[in-house]
Amino acid sequence: AQKITQTQPGMFVQEKEAVTLDCTYDTSDQSYGLFWYKQPSSGEMIFLIYQGSYDEQNATEGRYSLNFQKARKSANLVISASQLGDSAMYFCAMREPHRRALTFGSGTRLQVQP
Amino acid sequence: NAGVTQTPKFQVLKTGQSMTLQCAQDMNHNSMYWYRQDPGMGLRLIYYSASEGTTDKGEVPNGYNVSRLNKREFSLRLESAAPSQTSVYFCASSVTYEQFFGPGTRLTVL
Repeated sequence: AQKITQTQPGMFVQEKEAVTLDCTYDTSDQSYGLFWYKQPSSGEMIFLIYQGSYDEQNATEGRYSLNFQKARKSANLVISASQLGDSAMYFCAMREPHRRALTFGSGTRLQVQP
Repeated sequence: NAGVTQTPKFQVLKTGQSMTLQCAQDMNHNSMYWYRQDPGMGLRLIYYSASEGTTDKGEVPNGYNVSRLNKREFSLRLESAAPSQTSVYFCASSVTYEQFFGPGTRLTVL
């Protein structure tokens, strides 16, 4: 089974609207971390937001928030007030305590339309 | 403060050639990583190093070797390149939960 599943290969959103990018994960650990990264067409990986499994509140960073539903094992990224510069690939990733590295999903390509 | 740097940015090899991808970080991080990203996919871990002098295999280590030369540098070597190793290679480092990525090396093996 995939550790990280992103079921939306591509998404469109109108400028200034909000969009939710889905991510579900699979782990038997109680302690883990969930991440979202943005990869623009230039190719670099940009860290957006982090959620620890024991964090009681959903993480927020500016226009980004993470909708963390532990029982459902989902960690959806919400981008509010989309901007043209938000057009990029978005990757969900997980870090488990026994593995120092990240496990990535296959990504969602977001296109913001004017 | 340059963060994580990688050289070269682009490389074209012929099948069977060897090369070393260089990575350096100036953030005094203990952990360093090498990932590869194939078209339409997320990053997959090749090797990682928890500290100077230690390395461990990741998800896709076959065909690669690594060297953690010191705390700053972590190199990835392809001894005999194959077309299946055509990919974008990312180096990363971390001290806590956040991983900082280099700009990537785009490698094509003909």
